[in-house]
Order: sequence, then C-alpha cells, then structure tokens
Amino acid sequence: GAVVSQHPSWVICKSGTSVKIECRSLDFQATTMFWYRQFPKQSLMLMATSNEGSKATYEQGVEKDKFLINHASLTLSTLTVTSAHPEDSSFYICSATADSSYEQYFGPGTRLTVT
Amino acid sequence: DQQVKQNSPSLSVQEGRISILNCDYTNSMFDYFLWYKKYPAEGPTFLISISSIKDKNEDGRFTVFLNKSAKHLSLHIVPSQPGDSAVYFCAASARGGTDKLIFGTGTRLQVFP
Repeated sequence: GAVVSQHPSWVICKSGTSVKIECRSLDFQATTMFWYRQFPKQSLMLMATSNEGSKATYEQGVEKDKFLINHASLTLSTLTVTSAHPEDSSFYICSATADSSYEQYFGPGTRLTVT
Repeated sequence: DQQVKQNSPSLSVQEGRISILNCDYTNSMFDYFLWYKKYPAEGPTFLISISSIKDKNEDGRFTVFLNKSAKHLSLHIVPSQPGDSAVYFCAASARGGTDKLIFGTGTRLQVFP
C-alpha cells in the first residue's frame, strides 16, 4: 500500500514552454501533497505544500506564478512549470500523506530537462 | 542556511562491516527525525525514524541514535550489504513530525564485497 506515482518520469522541453507534472496517490486519499526539487548532488528542497481544494503554500524563494500547483482531488496534484528556462532543469519529486498519518510517501520523481 | 547537515558526502564500507552515517541539525525545534534511502532517478524510501523522546530506535539491521544535547543523529547499518549502496538522507521535522521535512545533503554509501 501507500504508492505514489508521477508522470512523466522524464521530460525534455524547449525554453519558454510550459510543462505539467502529475502526482497521484494510487491506493490512498492524500489530504496533503508536497513538491520537492533536487539539483544534482544536493538535498531535496521543499517547494510547496498543497492541501486538497485549497491554494498551495509556497516556500520562501519559490515563485508561485512560475510553479503552479493544483490539488483538485484527493488523489491528484499537478505541478506546472511555466515558461521554463534551462535553470529549471532539475529532478522534481512529490510526496503525499494520508489523512490518518503524517508519514510522507514519495513518488519516483520526474526529471525535467529544459533546452 | 542548512539546518540539517550531513558532512560526509560519501562513505565506503566493506560488506559485513558496520556503516555509520552521521547527521547534525541546528534547529532545536526539531523533534522528529527520519532516514531515507534513495537510488538515482528514484524517490526516497523511508528507512527508520526516531522521536526526540527516545535516544535509540532499532529495526532489523538499522539502528538510529539521537543525541539531543549535541543535536546529532546517526544511522548504523549492521551488517552492511552490497544492496545497501545508495544515497542516504536524514530529515528533520518539528511538531512531532507534522511539520515539513527538512532534508540533509545526503551521504552516498558504497558497500563493496
């Protein structure tokens, strides 16, 4: 149980375009989902926290107009990188918590490359 | 400001021996600590956790020690196996683990035969 999936696993896009990444909880309802970014050989940095049906809470320094997060259902959250630039190239990981627990279950990650 | 630090970026251990991974934190509000294992291009998988009311927690080959006064925790893996080779992240949280996770920078463990 407690499986989180992400789609796509790898995406290449051109500079200036937008990319959407999906995060799904497959066998539980995720009241809260988190989005992280990991640059090579660095730590996982929390970007934002989203609760189903409400606006996401962004960490300091993360542009909310650039990284659009939608958590429309209890099993799906999306991260849209708008007007992507090469410096947005990174590994994006989501995690989710169930209603009864605060343990975070992580997805497999999405590697974004912006050319 | 890196609130959670893993000062050893890499560690190499022979199979069968003990692996000791260290983690230091600066925020005294942290009261829940976790260790994750991560393979390249995959998400982290949970290994073991410890609450600040304890100083030790064991789960099979994995033991986590917490020294609150030193703001230091360590993960012991005994015996180490080649399949343990991965990057290990410690993470810390406040409010009993309900607050956001702050991750360390990771230690790459290599277990050789």
